[in-house]
Order: sequence, then structure tokens, then C-alpha cells
Amino acid sequence: DTGVSQDPRHKITKRGQNVTFRCDPISEHNRLYWYRQTLGQGPEFLTYFQNEAQLEKSRLLSDRFSAERPKGSFSTLEIQRTEQGDSAMYLCASSLRGGRQGLAGPYNEQFFGPGTRLTVL
Amino acid sequence: DAKTTQPPSMDCAEGRAANLPCNHSTISGNEYVYWYRQIHSQGPQYIIHGLKNNETNEMASLIITEDRKSSTLILPHATLRDTAVYYCIVRPRSNDYKLSFGAGTTVTVRA
Repeated sequence: DTGVSQDPRHKITKRGQNVTFRCDPISEHNRLYWYRQTLGQGPEFLTYFQNEAQLEKSRLLSDRFSAERPKGSFSTLEIQRTEQGDSAMYLCASSLRGGRQGLAGPYNEQFFGPGTRLTVL
Repeated sequence: DAKTTQPPSMDCAEGRAANLPCNHSTISGNEYVYWYRQIHSQGPQYIIHGLKNNETNEMASLIITEDRKSSTLILPHATLRDTAVYYCIVRPRSNDYKLSFGAGTTVTVRA
């Protein structure tokens, strides 16, 4: 396992269609994160999972967005009824939470995938 | 999370050291300074992090001022492959799950 993978790398869709993206994290990583990045901006946090539990969702994650990680391994991010404003790069990252409860550290760095670029026409 | 301020862009000559500044004047005692970079069309990549001591790894060095209100990332011998957007992030010790990216510094290494 060489890193985080995402599929597809590019997706073009028409407004109103549903899209689903997949993220495969590094195999032993128990945390998985989704971010969104628009042109010229840094990535923005959307949500994260620890194992199969979704522990936090950003205000950016509207009701049209849903993320799952059913078996604590890969994750999917679905966008329903896409809008042109959803056009962005969707990034997935994973990390291994370890050490003392709640502490950051070198074991907690996030490894990012290459992203899925979504274009909504 | 504490806010960071970085210059929007900087140029560097290939083979020379690149010194990337970051201000984080509101950093609190339990917050780390992290640096990530993002090469065009790729996801961000972790570079280095520190709390109060200077840190060095195979990619870069991190110098944190004694009052911790600013830091400098040093790429000792910049190459063309170091052209990227560099993000300085302050991250609470207890909030270890998400990264709050700003706009970063676009570094262009020129031959």
C-alpha cells in the first residue's frame, strides 16, 4: 500500500445529477478525512471518521452531501442534486491516531490522496 | 484555532535556501506549528511540525521564535520540484483531527 487513493480522479457532471467519490486510505489508518478545495484557496475540512464512526461534520457539508465509511476501511462521499457551486477538488486524507488521548504528534500527520476534481456544468 | 499570516508568494533561485515566514501571534501554549505543501494537481504533503524547539528532518528545518509568535520554514537547497504552495497551520494539541488551511505561500523556484 503506497498511499491514499481516490477514484475517480476527474468527474464532469450536469447540474442536478448525483455523484459519488471513493477514497481508499492507507491500510492501517483508522482516521479518514474529507476536504474540499476551490481554485486559489486552501483545502477546507468537511468531515472525518474514526474507524466507521463519523465524528464531525463541517457547516460546509449541506444536506445534499453524505459520507460513509461502512467497514472502517474505504469511504464514499456522495453529492446529490449537484450544483455549479459544488465544482471543486475533493481531497481525502488518512491518519493513524495513536499515543496519548487527544494529543497531536508525529504519528498523527495526515496523508492526502491526489483528489477528485469535480466539474458541474 | 490561531490564525496564521503568510506572504502570498515568493521566488527562490534553484540551489539556494528558501526561507518561508509565518506569523502566528495568537498561538497558545498547547498549539503546534505544522507545515504542509501542495504541488500542483496533488494533495497536500506533510513537511514538518514543532511546538517550541527548532526541528529538522530530511525535507526542511523549522525555526520557531522564542515567543512562538512566528516561525520560518527553511528549504536548504531548493530545487525546481519544490515549487508548490506552502501552508503554515497552527493546530491545537487537543484538536488533533482537522487541519485549517489558509491561502498559503506560492513558492516558485527558478532555474
